Amino acid sequence: NAGVTQTPKFQVLKTGQSMTLQCAQDMNHEYMSWYRQDPGMGLRLIHYSVGAGITDQGEVPNGYNVSRSTTEDFPLRLLSAAPSQTSVYFCASSGEGVAKNIQYFGAGTRLSVL
Amino acid sequence: GDSVTQMEGPVTLSEEAFLTINCTYTATGYPSLFWYVQYPGEGLQLLLKATKADDKGSNKGFEATYRKETTSFHLEKGSVQVSDSAVYFCALRGRGDYKLSFGAGTTVTVRA
Repeated sequence: NAGVTQTPKFQVLKTGQSMTLQCAQDMNHEYMSWYRQDPGMGLRLIHYSVGAGITDQGEVPNGYNVSRSTTEDFPLRLLSAAPSQTSVYFCASSGEGVAKNIQYFGAGTRLSVL
Repeated sequence: GDSVTQMEGPVTLSEEAFLTINCTYTATGYPSLFWYVQYPGEGLQLLLKATKADDKGSNKGFEATYRKETTSFHLEKGSVQVSDSAVYFCALRGRGDYKLSFGAGTTVTVRA
């Protein structure tokens, strides 16, 4: 099983550039989310989605956009990268009911903005 | 809002030592509580969970008990191995919610 797949694994951007971090899951999960991980701050929720066509903001949404056109995919867009967005980004998904209790994480994308 | 506070690290132990990582939470109602583990270079994976007061979650020799009276969910392992070296995150999910709130993470290093 592929689970949650994130691409790319590493990326270096210059300030002002744009890019899209890809996330795909093959478990037919309704819930998907994006987190960023920074030293000493744990994981902070950026955006999340409870199903295709539905997205909402998390704790730190500024500078990021998302869309959910299919159940499988949940891309994260940086429109104009800033050094403060240097971080490790994780995508996660979970199912319904008791399956809500288990979030599956991708391997992460390490992003550096110069 | 919901929040999680966990013991700061890093923690360095010798093999076969006892490990405890403290975790306390603030939440309305009755959240579900989790410990996630992140091995070097990998994403997070669920280690154990508890969904109601007095539940004990356990996995791979780790245990944690949901204590409503002290709003705590401390992680323990009686005899750690080098392979337990990782970052451990305490997290909670509000009742009926999907979102997780994470603690800052505790880095554990076990030396042979």
